[in-house]
Amino acid sequence: AQSVAQPEDQVNVAEGNPLTVKCTYSVSGNPYLFWYVQYPNRGLQFLLKYITGDNLVKGSYGFEAEFNKSQTSFHLKKPSALVSDSALYFCAVRDSSADRGSTLGRLYFGRGTQLTVWP
Amino acid sequence: GAVVSQHPSRVICKSGTSVKIECRSLDFQATTMFWYRQFPKKSLMLMATSNEGSKATYEQGVEKDKFLINHASLTLSTLTVTSAHPEDSSFYICSATVGSVRASYNEQFFGPGTRLTVL
Repeated sequence: AQSVAQPEDQVNVAEGNPLTVKCTYSVSGNPYLFWYVQYPNRGLQFLLKYITGDNLVKGSYGFEAEFNKSQTSFHLKKPSALVSDSALYFCAVRDSSADRGSTLGRLYFGRGTQLTVWP
Repeated sequence: GAVVSQHPSRVICKSGTSVKIECRSLDFQATTMFWYRQFPKKSLMLMATSNEGSKATYEQGVEKDKFLINHASLTLSTLTVTSAHPEDSSFYICSATVGSVRASYNEQFFGPGTRLTVL
């Protein structure tokens, strides 16, 4: 079965400090991993994805994430947080081996992590 | 990036009425769209996968007769909440994948969401 865990409901960090939002996953095949951000009363915006290749993926707004196969993790990071980064962050996975029939294209989401950056 | 729109953005209705929510891919064709429901401060719950020209695939526990999904064209999917009740009040979000959903690496692009309030 496919699943995503975001162990922290809330992450608080001071502006200018580095931030990390954690994500671990479980799939039976090769994972395709995604990070999305959601601002209040808005849909999700795509940040970055890992499909294959370099384990360090760079995305929008200065965010990056590192794929670690041995630890089945895909933590989101940013070297210097901004107050405007405060939002709800979702990690998601697709399992290529389960990508068929009714599950074709389906994303499995973590429960989300609320990031608050204080000035 | 690809743009997905939803209409309306906000709707208030009386209990027992039906509400239709539209999801459009503005600059690409989407053979598959997804409908999610999000409760306050909660993760996304996939309701159904909408395939153009065929019946939607509903997730377990989602009532097909209550949440009617129609994918009439490659750019439009609709979700109709029939005989709405206060417990149907929620934030509904659609998404679509650019290109073939069979290309597992393609990210989903999300609409801005529709806030439904049933009185």
